Amino acid sequence: AQKVTQAQTEISVVEKEDVTLDCVYETRDTTYYLFWYKQPPSGELVFLIRRNSFDEQNEISGRYSWNFQKSTSSFNFTITASQVVDSAVYFCALFFQGAQKLVFGQGTRLTINP
Amino acid sequence: NAGVTQTPKFQVLKTGQSMTLQCAQDMNHEYMSWYRQDPGMGLRLIHYSVGAGITDQGEVPNGYNVSRSTTEDFPLRLLSAAPSQTSVYFCASRNGWMNTEAFFGQGTRLTVV
Repeated sequence: AQKVTQAQTEISVVEKEDVTLDCVYETRDTTYYLFWYKQPPSGELVFLIRRNSFDEQNEISGRYSWNFQKSTSSFNFTITASQVVDSAVYFCALFFQGAQKLVFGQGTRLTINP
Repeated sequence: NAGVTQTPKFQVLKTGQSMTLQCAQDMNHEYMSWYRQDPGMGLRLIHYSVGAGITDQGEVPNGYNVSRSTTEDFPLRLLSAAPSQTSVYFCASRNGWMNTEAFFGQGTRLTVV
């Protein structure tokens, strides 16, 4: 079964704290892609990152970083020095080419308090 | 750069009414799909299409119909709306079997009373 689990339903931190959003996935496919999307209060889905199953290099983009570990089937997302504008719902998603489907986790609502 | 356009943005229906959610993309993408977003459940796939004239069911297809007569358009029809279909609906498109990046519309918030 293909599944994405985001165990943290809600996280609330004070501005400038670092915060990590967890994502654990299940798939039998050897070729797959992992995504993170941001959904701000305005409601649209904003693409953040895509990582394929053959590339375990961590990635950093400004204050955002991603840690992909196949050994633990995890693709965690860290925001360093969080800001109020980071407040949003964040979704982790898995794409497996066998069925050409994008499977989403339940989402984590992140609130950054000033 | 319109991308994926959904209309309407908001809609209130009475139980039993029918309506069509529109989705159009101007990127000549082959793949289009519809998701619904419910609290605590992420986005779930309703129907998808791999090209004009080809559609298939996703995870939660009951109560919805789709068709794909052109590459650009992928409307979602609710034949007899039910309160359980109150949700936010997203349309997405992507280009090609190997291309995994999906572009999402702005969403349609539907309330069925």
